[in-house]
Amino acid sequence: EAGVTQFPSHSVIEKGQTVTLRCDPISGHDNLYWYRRVMGKEIKFLLHFVKESKQDESGMPNNRFLAERTGGTYSTLKVQPAELEDSGVYFCASSQDQAGTSTDTQYFGPGTRLTVL
Amino acid sequence: LAKTTQPISMDSYEGQEVNITCSHNNIATNDYITWYQQFPSQGPRFIIQGYKTKVTNEVASLFIPADRKSSTLSLPRVSLSDTAVYYCLVGPFNQAGTALIFGKGTTLSVSS
Repeated sequence: EAGVTQFPSHSVIEKGQTVTLRCDPISGHDNLYWYRRVMGKEIKFLLHFVKESKQDESGMPNNRFLAERTGGTYSTLKVQPAELEDSGVYFCASSQDQAGTSTDTQYFGPGTRLTVL
Repeated sequence: LAKTTQPISMDSYEGQEVNITCSHNNIATNDYITWYQQFPSQGPRFIIQGYKTKVTNEVASLFIPADRKSSTLSLPRVSLSDTAVYYCLVGPFNQAGTALIFGKGTTLSVSS
């Protein structure tokens, strides 16, 4: 079974440009999460999808970030316009909907390293 | 979610048993304890999860005392490939869709 995949692995853009990150979750996983780690900080939650619906976007830093999950499969995270402080590693994770069981294991992708110059 | 405290770093030699203790004094009744491992340039990877007493899998063991205010991740006979950052997380992980809150983790360095 394929794991969570992310594209690109690394993106270097200039301040003011737009970048779109993509995440393909494990097939059949309803839950999809975005996290990020900016330089020297902990990994922080950004938002959570259940299928195509945004369940929790409390971690989104501002309105320059737009996440979508059309059709409930892959997700994109767009940053427009990018700022220097957006540099970091963006992780995507997915999990099955196992409410009522003892586990909700999240499987992470390798991350996309974003560098804004 | 409950705040966790764990060592910033640990060093070990190959073949030794490594125990990493995490404190979570404010753990709630419905909280579980989960450990993730992260290698450089990779995303975090689930290792083990427990609620109370002891849990063991092919990778590690997790010891949780009766008061659940701490937990210990035990890695038997570590190898160089176990060098990674280990995160202790606490939350209602029996509910689907719980956002994970990561701390700084414990950086384990294994040398020969």
